[in-house]
Amino acid sequence: DVKVTQSSRYLVKRTGEKVFLECVQDMDHENMFWYRQDPGLGLRLIYFSYDVKMKEKGDIPEGYSVSREKKERFSLILESASTNQTSMYLCASSWQGSKQYFGPGTRLTVT
Amino acid sequence: GENVEQHPSTLSVQEGDSAVIKCTYSDSASNYFPWYKQELGKGPQLIIDIRSNVGEKKDQRIAVTLNKTAKHFSLHITETQPEDSAVYFCAASKGNYGQNFVFGPGTRLSVLP
Repeated sequence: DVKVTQSSRYLVKRTGEKVFLECVQDMDHENMFWYRQDPGLGLRLIYFSYDVKMKEKGDIPEGYSVSREKKERFSLILESASTNQTSMYLCASSWQGSKQYFGPGTRLTVT
Repeated sequence: GENVEQHPSTLSVQEGDSAVIKCTYSDSASNYFPWYKQELGKGPQLIIDIRSNVGEKKDQRIAVTLNKTAKHFSLHITETQPEDSAVYFCAASKGNYGQNFVFGPGTRLSVLP
């Protein structure tokens, strides 16, 4: 079974803090994705990566950055957390052009 | 860009009845349409998908139909069970890497015993 893990299930941070969300997949997938999920808005793509050290902006990249130093690991970074970044963050991975497998999500609260 | 609409936003059915969720998309170049189920506290899980060269696909109690001309696709669940209660998301994609996955807003399905 494909396994996508995320470093934290719940996270509470203060405004202005730097936040790191980690995602690891164990299936040697080329592609990895970060989404945020908000009620009534579905899943919106923040960033994705199709190879090590490669990244592309998604629909809502403002206020976020990413890092992919190893194939199995994709990190989402909030340089200076703000309250409007309170959300559920979902990581996913896939082979090229194939179905995406999701992690359990990290519920981030910024106070 | 692509826009995916999904209806209804909430759906309640009696156990054993059928449930239908409909999605429409705007970009005729989209060619891959997955459906995901998200249970409380978990990430979305793929339950069925269909590509644009197929009109219908079935997997036990779940089926998906695609009408390319009308640009809509539907999820059909027959003989619903309480464990089918969840939020269901449709998506449309045309990219090689999957970066063009655009998700619908979701449907909360409740199966009443």
